Amino acid sequence: GAVVSQHPSRVICKSGTSVKIECRSLDFQATTMFWYRQFPKQSLMLMATSNEGSKATYEQGVEKDKFLINHASLTLSTLTVTSAHPEDSSFYICSARAPTGRWDEKLFFGSGTQLSVL
Amino acid sequence: SQQGEEDPQALSIQEGENATMNCSYKTSINNLQWYRQNSGRGLVHLILIRSNEREKHSGRLRVTLDTSKKSSSLLITASRAADTASYFCATDAAPEETSGSRLTFGEGTQLTVNP
Repeated sequence: GAVVSQHPSRVICKSGTSVKIECRSLDFQATTMFWYRQFPKQSLMLMATSNEGSKATYEQGVEKDKFLINHASLTLSTLTVTSAHPEDSSFYICSARAPTGRWDEKLFFGSGTQLSVL
Repeated sequence: SQQGEEDPQALSIQEGENATMNCSYKTSINNLQWYRQNSGRGLVHLILIRSNEREKHSGRLRVTLDTSKKSSSLLITASRAADTASYFCATDAAPEETSGSRLTFGEGTQLTVNP
C-alpha cells in the first residue's frame, strides 16, 4: 500500500524558533497533501490543503504567516511553524491521497509529529 | 468545525465481545470512511462506504450507512486487545466536479479492549 513518511516524529524547541516538518509520499506521487493539527483526545483539525506547484489553501482561522506550507514536488510537502510559541504545541499530522480513480477517496497518513515548545 | 459526531466517546469491553461505534453527520456526503489511530500515531484507513451503499464488510469490520438518518456505525466483532485505539469517522462531501475532496473527521471513539 501507499506509504507516507513524516519527519521528525518528535521535536522540542525553545519559544521563538521555527520548526520544519516534512511529509513525503514514498511510493506514489501526491498532487494534494493535507496538514492536520490534533490536541490530546480530540479530533483532527484540518489546517491547510497543500497543492503541488501552487499556494496552499488555508482553513479559516489558520494563520498563513505562522504556518508556512511548501509543496515543491509531487512527493514532498513541508510545514514550517514560524516563531513557535507554547500554544503551538500540538500533534501535527500530514496525509496524502494516492492518485487512484477520477477523484481520490482514501487518505494515507504520516505517523505524526509531536511538537513541544518550551 | 467537525461535521461528525461520534458516540460513544469512550468504550471499554472485554476481549471477544463486539464493539459498536456510531457516527452522525449533517450534510450530504459522497462517502464515509472509518479510520483508526493508535496513541501518538497517524491514522490508518479501515473501510470506506459510498453514499449508495448500506452495508459493507471487511474482515471483522462491518459498517452500515443510513443516509436518511445521516448516520453510520462501525462494528468490530470478536474484539482483541490489539483493537485498542481511537476510531474516527470521516465524511467526504465534495461536489463531483472538484478535482479532489477533503475529509471532515468526527470527534472519535476511544475503544479499550481488556484482555
